Amino acid sequence: GAVVSQHPSRVICKSGTSVKIECRSLDFQATTMFWYRQFPKQSLMLMATSNEGSKATYEQGVEKDKFLINHASLTLSTLTVTSAHPEDSSFYICSATQTSGVTDTQYFGPGTRLTVL
Amino acid sequence: GIQVEQSPPDLILQEGANSTLRCNFSDSVNNLQWFHQNPWGQLINLFYIPSGTKQNGRLSATTVATERYSLLYISSSQTTDSGVYFCAVRGSGTYKYIFGTGTRLKVLA
Repeated sequence: GAVVSQHPSRVICKSGTSVKIECRSLDFQATTMFWYRQFPKQSLMLMATSNEGSKATYEQGVEKDKFLINHASLTLSTLTVTSAHPEDSSFYICSATQTSGVTDTQYFGPGTRLTVL
Repeated sequence: GIQVEQSPPDLILQEGANSTLRCNFSDSVNNLQWFHQNPWGQLINLFYIPSGTKQNGRLSATTVATERYSLLYISSSQTTDSGVYFCAVRGSGTYKYIFGTGTRLKVLA
């Protein structure tokens, strides 16, 4: 099946620093990638939809200047948390859609756990 | 937007027992997926099932799109089935998936 990787898997940073998370589709081209955030014991909340070569579409309430998303190629999307604060600590998960004529199954990365001190 | 509710929110089973998880959604959908999130956070795709019934080993799923619900059946549960089960739906005219509230399953040895 299709594989999506994320790097890093875990990151701890100081308040005020920026953190970049990479999401890669390893064996397929993903025209659309999604970024989710999950707080402990809660469901996944969509943050933004990323299409290759165009600006990301952010969900209501998500600050686009704080969560910078770049989808430079059909296999790579990055999420940069700028000037991170403790309230940004969360589990960030990306997914990629392999669009076909029959299905558009979403394949998820393993997630990145961010802890901001 | 589409609302997705799952039930039960929590479930504890003895190993070997069967269970049924339910996903209700508030509007018509084009796609529906079931996922298992293991204790390490990894999301595993179980089924892509916008309608009909599918089976994969001890798991099976049924979606009745006209009545806006989907069911996930787990038979002969094992401790490795523990985790959180999510359904996610996609409405028409969008690539966005909306996740349900999840069912937290614990299987006891």
